[in-house]
Amino acid sequence: QKEVEQDPGPLSVPEGAIVSLNCTYSNSAFQYFMWYRQYSRKGPELLMYTYSSGNKEDGRFTAQVDKSSKYISLFIRDSQPSDSATYLCAMSAYDNYGQNFVFGPGTRLSVLP
Amino acid sequence: NAGVTQTPKFQVLKTGQSMTLQCAQDMNHNSMYWYRQDPGMGLRLIYYSASEGTTDKGEVPNGYNVSRLNKREFSLRLESAAPSQTSVYFCASSETHPRGQFFGPGTRLTVL
Repeated sequence: QKEVEQDPGPLSVPEGAIVSLNCTYSNSAFQYFMWYRQYSRKGPELLMYTYSSGNKEDGRFTAQVDKSSKYISLFIRDSQPSDSATYLCAMSAYDNYGQNFVFGPGTRLSVLP
Repeated sequence: NAGVTQTPKFQVLKTGQSMTLQCAQDMNHNSMYWYRQDPGMGLRLIYYSASEGTTDKGEVPNGYNVSRLNKREFSLRLESAAPSQTSVYFCASSETHPRGQFFGPGTRLTVL
């Protein structure tokens, strides 16, 4: 079992739709959870950062963490064509060697005008 | 404030050639990282440096070496390039507290 699983898509939605992107993980030590957006041929860009379970909202984006189920989600409201990108989830914990970041493989999203 | 910068943007090497990828950050971050990204594999950690003067192996360190030159700069060296090292390489940095990493624009490397 991979440490972080993410549906690779591609996911196509019409403009204005609500998008739900999800990741599951196996390591209960993860405490910090992040979502990145990566446009084609660009570096990942940090979108949201959350600590522990709960919800965090930033504009049209909401990040949700359920540590009991080892499940995180990113919701995009009123999706726009400019949201078309690959979305990577990432998790982090401190281990004996320091800070450990693990990334999901990414979900490709297309928002159609 | 440039964030994380990487040079070069593109490189083509022949098998056996060597090269160094450069990375610099101006955010005063302690931690820096090198990743490679391959289709279907996601981002895989090659090496990281938790602070100036320290480096540690990540998931896929074979065939690479790194140098943390100072707090700002972290370089990745391929001593004898192989076709399996064809990839997109990203440098990233973060604060000591893991609030997320900031990535550079990447280097697209092709080894023939």
